[in-house]
Amino acid sequence: GESVGLHLPTLSVQEGDNSIINCAYSNSASDYFIWYKQESGKGPQFIIDIRSNMDKRQGQRVTVLLNKTVKHLSLQIAATQPGDSAVYFCAENTGGFKTIFGAGTRLFVKA
Amino acid sequence: EAGVTQSPTHLIKTRGQQATLRCSPISGHTSVYWYQQALGLGLQFLLWYDEGEERNRGNFPPRFSGRQFPNYSSELNVNALELEDSALYLCASIPGTGREKLFFGSGTQLSVL
Repeated sequence: GESVGLHLPTLSVQEGDNSIINCAYSNSASDYFIWYKQESGKGPQFIIDIRSNMDKRQGQRVTVLLNKTVKHLSLQIAATQPGDSAVYFCAENTGGFKTIFGAGTRLFVKA
Repeated sequence: EAGVTQSPTHLIKTRGQQATLRCSPISGHTSVYWYQQALGLGLQFLLWYDEGEERNRGNFPPRFSGRQFPNYSSELNVNALELEDSALYLCASIPGTGREKLFFGSGTQLSVL
C-alpha cells in the first residue's frame, strides 16, 4: 500500500553528536512533509514541517532537508540530548485530508 | 489550553466483543482523525471526520466505524474484535481540513485476548 519508508529502523548516537534520520517517500505529488517525535506512552508530537517549494527549513536544533528529485527527506538534530531518545516518523500529506506515516526510526542517545 | 484527550487509556477485551474508544479534540478543531498503531509499526490511517460527517476511511473492514458529535468529539467503535486488532489507537485533530500538522492524543491501548 501507500507508504513512506525509512532507511534505518534504529539509530544510536552519542550525546552531543549530531543525528541524521532519513526517509524516502513514494508519492511525487506530495507537497507537504512533517516530522513527528513519539516518546514512550505518548502520541506523536510535531517537530518540524516543510512544503515542497522549499529545500531546507530550520527550527530549534532541528533541520529538515527535502530532495524532491530523489524523493528523500531527512531530519537533522544538532547536539543530540538524552531527551531526544524517541521514535521519529516522517509523514507526507498527499493533498488535503490524508497524512501518510512511515514506519519510524528509533533514536537511542548514549550518555 | 487542553490538548487532544482520549479515553480510556487502556482497554482489555476478548475476541468477539465490541470496543468503544473516545476522543475530544482541541477546542476549535473540527476535524478528527483516527489512526491504528500496531506494535513496532507505523501509523495506519483509519477514519477522518469533519463537521460531523465521515469524510474518508482507510483500508479497514466495516467493523471499524465511528462518529463525530456536534461538539466535535468522536467515538471509534470496533465490532467483533479479533486478536490482530490489538494496537494503540490514536486520535488527532486539526482546525481545518487542509495541509496541516496533526495534534495527537496519547492514545488508547486496546488489548484483545
